[in-house]
Amino acid sequence: NAGVTQTPKFQVLKTGQSMTLQCAQDMNHNSMYWYRQDPGMGLRLIYYSASEGTTDKGEVPNGYNVSRLNKREFSLRLESAAPSQTSVYFCASSERKLNYGYTFGSGTRLTVV
Amino acid sequence: KQEVTQIPAALSVPEGENLVLNCSFTDSAIYNLQWFRQDPGKGLTSLLLIQSSQREQTSGRLNASLDKSSGRSTLYIAASQPGDSATYLCACNDYKLSFGAGTTVTVRA
Repeated sequence: NAGVTQTPKFQVLKTGQSMTLQCAQDMNHNSMYWYRQDPGMGLRLIYYSASEGTTDKGEVPNGYNVSRLNKREFSLRLESAAPSQTSVYFCASSERKLNYGYTFGSGTRLTVV
Repeated sequence: KQEVTQIPAALSVPEGENLVLNCSFTDSAIYNLQWFRQDPGKGLTSLLLIQSSQREQTSGRLNASLDKSSGRSTLYIAASQPGDSATYLCACNDYKLSFGAGTTVTVRA
């Protein structure tokens, strides 16, 4: 029972490099989300996908792009990494029904130097 | 925009004491509220999910209450243990999940 799987777990990038964070869920959930967590600021929503084929901006989308590859997979891309994007990134999934809770992955710790 | 506040930011108690963690939110039009636990360097583990129509939810030593009209939720942990040491996050679902910054709990043996 994997739940939500994120790869990689750790990554160090140089300023200006690009990378893609991968997320996959095996719970047949319709909705998927990307959050970032910074000290003292809680988790903030970057992008979400309410259902396969749709994506929308969250609270802090600048500098990121997303792809909902299929129902299981939702990737987050940093085209030109900046030190301000140093953070812990979490992927989550949920059923589209509003009385459902969210399930989170274990996170990707990203450092941009 | 939903604002979620958790007070206190940190809490240290001796083993066996009951824990009371507070969460307040500004927009009462929520569908549900979820409490999570986060261990250092780890992901989020769901503890309790309270629907907007419910007043409380219980799981073992954990009890969470919800008062939508006053914009508050409280997580009670009975008879705390050192293994309860972690950061506890509350999150309001008003179609998107909005998080508080968390309360970091230390239970001293």
